Amino acid sequence: AQKVTQAQTEISVVEKEDVTLDCVYETRDTTYYLFWYKQPPSGELVFLIRRNSFDEQNEISGRYSWNFQKSTSSFNFTITASQVVDSAVYFCALRGGNEKLTFGTGTRLTIIP
Amino acid sequence: DAGVTQSPTHLIKTRGQQVTLRCSPKSGHDTVSWYQQALGQGPQFIFQYYEEEERQRGNFPDRFSGHQFPNYSSELNVNALLLGDSALYLCASSLIPQGVKAEQFFGPGTRLTVL
Repeated sequence: AQKVTQAQTEISVVEKEDVTLDCVYETRDTTYYLFWYKQPPSGELVFLIRRNSFDEQNEISGRYSWNFQKSTSSFNFTITASQVVDSAVYFCALRGGNEKLTFGTGTRLTIIP
Repeated sequence: DAGVTQSPTHLIKTRGQQVTLRCSPKSGHDTVSWYQQALGQGPQFIFQYYEEEERQRGNFPDRFSGHQFPNYSSELNVNALLLGDSALYLCASSLIPQGVKAEQFFGPGTRLTVL
């Protein structure tokens, strides 16, 4: 069975601070993909990143960066110099061999101006 | 390039009624997946349609059924509505040949309220 845990239910930081969202996953598959999605108040899930199980290279995209560590089954997401527009619910998700996308319960991020 | 569209935006029904939600996939996509997102929760996979057939299914009762049309659009039907069916229903489209790495594009969702 697949499982994604986002232990942080809500996080609030002051604008321009850095913030890290944690994601821990469980799967028995050797080939799998991890995803991060952003859900603004409008409700639509916005794709942020995809990472496969064989690529542990960290990735940086502008103010966003992702740290994938298979040894700890974690795929954490960091926003540098946060902005008010970053306020949203962020979901980590996993897809394994059964191709079903399993989501975590999400982390509500509030950036305080 | 049109993204995933869903209709209606909001819907209010009473217990025991039936509801149909609609989804048009992103241009060029052939696969549609449906998710239920209860308040404060992550989306839960309902089922996936490809070539007009249900390809995969999550842990949802038979009251939840679907259909895919030749133009790849899809419908989600829920019979005998329960209060617990109140949720945001999300549709996502993708390309099946990409398999497990396929990126899913989500629509804005339909907010269903059951009274």
